[in-house]
Amino acid sequence: DAGVTQSPTHLIKTRGQQVTLRCSPKSGHDTVSWYQQALGQGPQFIFQYYEEEERQRGNFPDRFSGHQFPNYSSELNVNALLLGDSALYLCASSRGEGTEAFFGQGTRLTVV
Amino acid sequence: KQEVTQIPAALSVPEGENLVLNCSFTDSAIYNLQWFRQDPGKGLTSLLFIQSSQREQTSGRLNASLDKSSGRSTLYIAASQPGDSATYLCAVALYAGGTSYGKLTFGQGTILTVHP
Repeated sequence: DAGVTQSPTHLIKTRGQQVTLRCSPKSGHDTVSWYQQALGQGPQFIFQYYEEEERQRGNFPDRFSGHQFPNYSSELNVNALLLGDSALYLCASSRGEGTEAFFGQGTRLTVV
Repeated sequence: KQEVTQIPAALSVPEGENLVLNCSFTDSAIYNLQWFRQDPGKGLTSLLFIQSSQREQTSGRLNASLDKSSGRSTLYIAASQPGDSATYLCAVALYAGGTSYGKLTFGQGTILTVHP
């Protein structure tokens, strides 16, 4: 079992560009959540996908959007990048409701 | 709004000491609580997962307790080793309408350094 895998591991983008981050959940998991972690802070919830629909959303602008595919993998898209979007983006997967969450290694996004 | 606080923010101890990391949360209607470990620049590794109906969980040298009524959890690390050096994060999932979708609210973490 490969666990939760994220790609790419590192990314550098220019302000105003768009970025897509990818996540493959742990085998048997159907729920994917995305978190943003700024340096020195705890992760902040962006949104969660279940059955290809956004089920919950945190306090993030519409520039942040996502998608879940039939195989449960997910993408996080961020449009019109700002310098403040520089962070570690973490994907977590779980099975069903309220179960243990497993995280990937994250994607380090740097906006210059 | 659920708020999670971790104390202390940083801890530096000699190898072999027994440690206690604290986590408090403002809304006691939690569905579950997880403790994670994070190495610098890396993802989160789940250490212990406690359902709201449980009082504690143990894994090797780690033991976590949960007291929902007082809004507290404690992570106990026995016989600390240099390899335990990392940031430890506490996260809670709220109970809402009979279930929880598992949105986690995190504390800021405790940075642990164990020196030889």
